[in-house]
Amino acid sequence: DGGITQSPKYLFRKEGQNVTLSCEQNLNHDAMYWYRQDPGQGLRLIYYSQIVNDFQKGDIAEGYSVSREKKESFPLTVTSAQKNPTAFYLCASSIVAGADSPLHFGNGTRLTVT
Amino acid sequence: AQKVTQAQTEISVVEKEDVTLDCVYETRDTTYYLFWYKQPPSGELVFLIRRNSFDEQNEISGRYSWNFQKSTSSFNFTITASQVVDSAVYFCALRAFYNQGGKLIFGQGTELSVKP
Repeated sequence: DGGITQSPKYLFRKEGQNVTLSCEQNLNHDAMYWYRQDPGQGLRLIYYSQIVNDFQKGDIAEGYSVSREKKESFPLTVTSAQKNPTAFYLCASSIVAGADSPLHFGNGTRLTVT
Repeated sequence: AQKVTQAQTEISVVEKEDVTLDCVYETRDTTYYLFWYKQPPSGELVFLIRRNSFDEQNEISGRYSWNFQKSTSSFNFTITASQVVDSAVYFCALRAFYNQGGKLIFGQGTELSVKP
């Protein structure tokens, strides 16, 4: 079945450690996105990529980094510079980065940093 | 600036009641798209509907219906005869046609609880 796989579902880290969240899609979509979800704040865009080897910052990119070496993979690294990393992270993809293309989401990774 | 407001943070209904989730948006663009997503407890956002700014026809899909009114910048979602399985967080979202890479602006979400 085609879809987006995020792993792991739950992730625990100590403050000061970098951590990488995995996102893989087999939908053959060109565009991929990372969103962060906090209670009562909806979803906020961290990074997005329209094509392999290219990506752009979203609204809250500080303290995060990404790579897009393969079409199907868009890993997100939460660095120690992110002030408040505990959140629910959602990866998404769309056929193209066009306005009418709906996003398809993964199941998310819940990151807890203590 | 673009913004989506879902004023209802939480709604609780009893099964078989009808319920309307409100969505108000702001944009200066004349061409844009509106979306509704459902987020069940599993966490994954499920795409429900897309509407473009030139199509104000209401849409019905089973027990779901959507009312788009440009005059009031609203895109409300009604569930008829609600069921327990409808319990979820629902997000309204906006994307302008001329945007940077398909950025989707989400509202804060409305948590719907349907009790048996």
